[in-house]
Amino acid sequence: DAGITQSPRHKVTETGTPVTLRCHQTENHRYMYWYRQDPGHGLRLIHYSYGVKDTDKGEVSDGYSVSRSKTEDFLLTLESATSSQTSVYFCAISDPGKPSTDTQYFGPGTRLTVL
Amino acid sequence: QQQVKQSPQSLIVQKGGIPIINCAYENTAFDYFPWYQQFPGKGPALLIAIRPDVSEKKEGRFTISFNKSAKQFSLHIMDSQPGDSATYFCAVRSGSARQLTFGSGTQLTVLP
Repeated sequence: DAGITQSPRHKVTETGTPVTLRCHQTENHRYMYWYRQDPGHGLRLIHYSYGVKDTDKGEVSDGYSVSRSKTEDFLLTLESATSSQTSVYFCAISDPGKPSTDTQYFGPGTRLTVL
Repeated sequence: QQQVKQSPQSLIVQKGGIPIINCAYENTAFDYFPWYQQFPGKGPALLIAIRPDVSEKKEGRFTISFNKSAKQFSLHIMDSQPGDSATYFCAVRSGSARQLTFGSGTQLTVLP
């Protein structure tokens, strides 16, 4: 893994509770992304970040918010978790600065179950 | 909208066979076409990628064939091995933040 950690790796929570997932990188890459992975859907982009405090919505952003207060950390928050948000969440990083980093590298994932 | 259609959903081949996975896309604004490999419990890992000005790219046993006019690209795995058993995703890239849109995945099983 390209210096990307995600925490927690597994979480079980109840409907209606807030949940925050953390992505931490040690590569100093400018762009960070949050995806969810569900059977039959591949990976779908939730939110992404251009840089510190600079974020935008992806394909499936409803019910999610993000924050990036420093280069290395990108947080994904489910304000009020629902069962439809049960999924595996992946963080990815990239940086257009050089060819070797101008692609997305993925973290190990967080498996979230909402009961 | 489904911008990338991947097929087949699953594929079983014998060791030494040449599995082929196909992807078709709808938008011509994409600038980069990667394939990712994912093993159970792991994150996707970049396998090979191609840019639209090239029709074919080989890296070891993996080859991408790209047909710009047909808006299709495919992954070929030569001399497949049981260790290649994994889920494969194609993707297309666009946007200023280089966002990826993924296909739905192909689960490949290579029998010994």
